[in-house]
Amino acid sequence: EDKVVQSPLSLVVHEGDTVTLNCSYEVTNFRSLLWYKQEKKAPTFLFMLTSSGIEKKSGRLSSILDKKELSSILNITATQTGDSAIYLCAVDYGSSNTGKLIFGQGTTLQVKP
Amino acid sequence: DAGVIQSPRHEVTEMGQEVTLRCKPISGHNSLFWYRQTMMRGLELLIYFNNNVPIDDSGMPEDRFSAKMPNASFSTLKIQPSEPRDSAVYFCASSSGRTSYSYEQYFGPGTRLTVT
Repeated sequence: EDKVVQSPLSLVVHEGDTVTLNCSYEVTNFRSLLWYKQEKKAPTFLFMLTSSGIEKKSGRLSSILDKKELSSILNITATQTGDSAIYLCAVDYGSSNTGKLIFGQGTTLQVKP
Repeated sequence: DAGVIQSPRHEVTEMGQEVTLRCKPISGHNSLFWYRQTMMRGLELLIYFNNNVPIDDSGMPEDRFSAKMPNASFSTLKIQPSEPRDSAVYFCASSSGRTSYSYEQYFGPGTRLTVT
């Protein structure tokens, strides 16, 4: 069965801390891995990773894919209260080139002042 | 662009009633996805369309659910009859398929459905 598992499920930190969120997957015909941030509304896109070992970076957020270990991490440095959200990992898989995604259950991050 | 548009934003209905959720994808996007999100099951793909054609509906929970995409700018998800366990947030997302690999999906604001 295809699945995506995230850990931890929830995390509470203080402003300024660095956090690492984990995502592992078992899917047929892996195409790419995506990270989304969901605040109170719809998920918004953060990163798409297709190649192992190449870090994607956007401000204080960065992510890297390890195809050998079937996993990815999302790092957030110098966290701020505005980083509080659910972080979703999704994997694009399957035989057809249409972007079908399977999502992990998400990591709920709370950043305290 | 206005992004993916969904209506209604909130829907409260009684068990047994028909519910219709609507979605307008981003202009030019050729793939459309319907998701359901609950606390218990997270975000689940229900069905997706490519060029208005349903490609995979294996996520549709049962025959009470149906989806259509009559043209490139409109899709509906219908539940008939609705049940309390259908209460969830339903998201529509679209993607353009312009990159060589996967396609970033843009999500609509969601419809929060409550069935009493």
